[in-house]
Amino acid sequence: DAKTTQPNSMESNEEEPVHLPCNHSTISGTDYIHWYRQLPSQGPEYVIHGLTSNVNNRMASLAIAEDRKSSTLILHRATLRDAAVYYCILRDVKGPWDFNKFYFGSGTKLNVKP
Amino acid sequence: DAMVIQNPRYQVTQFGKPVTLSCSQTLNHNVMYWYQQKSSQAPKLLFHYYDKDFNNEADTPDNFQSRRPNTSFCFLDIRSPGLGDAAMYLCATSRGIGDLNTEAFFGQGTRLTVV
Repeated sequence: DAKTTQPNSMESNEEEPVHLPCNHSTISGTDYIHWYRQLPSQGPEYVIHGLTSNVNNRMASLAIAEDRKSSTLILHRATLRDAAVYYCILRDVKGPWDFNKFYFGSGTKLNVKP
Repeated sequence: DAMVIQNPRYQVTQFGKPVTLSCSQTLNHNVMYWYQQKSSQAPKLLFHYYDKDFNNEADTPDNFQSRRPNTSFCFLDIRSPGLGDAAMYLCATSRGIGDLNTEAFFGQGTRLTVV
């Protein structure tokens, strides 16, 4: 499985942008980069995903390096409700059974200060 | 409206007593997953179904079994729960093979306590 590496924790001030990094140096050409977040006592929640180009949605932006070995999740204005563990996941597509798997790395715990 | 529903949210079971956790979905997705998440750890994939085809992760203990009687429902059976099986169990769905550009949808989880 292609692995991801994220900082254990990060801290941000409310209403400031947050850049959450993820390294995935062994990514293969067809792996999609997914981000999920998990609020306390909740199931993970989809945030955004992409393949090569940068992506934007109502929750966040995803910036993907040109060589695809790293990516950054950008929360444009952090709120207290964004405090969560953020997981960067590679969608493994090596074989027929691998197409559907989502393997979680250790994630980054984001603290947002008022 | 909840699309992946797990019942119950909290389950207490006795050591060694079989327990079943349930999951239902309204998304009509082909793939359903079960994850185990222990305290302060990331979710760990136990197994998944693509339609009725079952795929077990290599390191999933035999104590864990699953059933998927139809598209909408999936069950996690723990045959003889030990204290080490206390965890949050997460169910998820996705559209599956042929649709790589898709995300997973998770339920709220069932927190299992073993006494």
